[in-house]
Amino acid sequence: ETGVTQTPRHLVMGMTNKKSLKCEQHLGHNAMYWYKQSAKKPLELMFVYSLEERVENNSVPSRFSPECPNSSHLFLHLHTLQPEDSALYLCASSPRGEVLTDTQYFGPGTRLTVL
Amino acid sequence: QKEVEQNSGPLSVPEGAIASLNCTYSDRGSQSFFWYRQYSGKSPELIMSIYSNGDKEDGRFTAQLNKASQYVSLLIRDSQPSDSATYLCAVNMGGSQGNLIFGKGTKLSVKP
Repeated sequence: ETGVTQTPRHLVMGMTNKKSLKCEQHLGHNAMYWYKQSAKKPLELMFVYSLEERVENNSVPSRFSPECPNSSHLFLHLHTLQPEDSALYLCASSPRGEVLTDTQYFGPGTRLTVL
Repeated sequence: QKEVEQNSGPLSVPEGAIASLNCTYSDRGSQSFFWYRQYSGKSPELIMSIYSNGDKEDGRFTAQLNKASQYVSLLIRDSQPSDSATYLCAVNMGGSQGNLIFGKGTKLSVKP
């Protein structure tokens, strides 16, 4: 256990559904991240929050909407997804919010299937 | 295009041998480099981080960085079957607040 939890662990949704992924870190870290891991593709950084401010958005479609209400919690709101969005969504946190050198600790991921 | 390249493998080594995993990256200004291990169906876990040229050793693991050649490697000594996993190279290529780019990973298989 890394101290980063994610719920749900598995999610199946239709293209018209709205759902949210939740991430919580118990490490006292200042930065949190969302990643997407698809089969045969590298891990892709989606969003970065440092001290609850979004500092990176790597051209992610608007059907993915992050929310960071405090430094311990991170959400990814999903709306009108496509089948190609099916993937493992990983949350990570890091201590100082210094993204260039911080070590990131990953949660177990949410396996998302879009029908 | 910022890229991190790894041989996808599988790399197969006998138990007790040295496994050598290699990674090249495109951005010469990159500052920090990480190796993650990912078991099948699990999330990545950090093995090593390295920031300056040369070698960094931690137990059976040694990370090697050569910024001039834009090359980072991971050596695993006395490989064990439990080391069988996919190893992800990640490079932080800077940007407004950093941009961690991952390679596709190298699958390592250690045969008893």
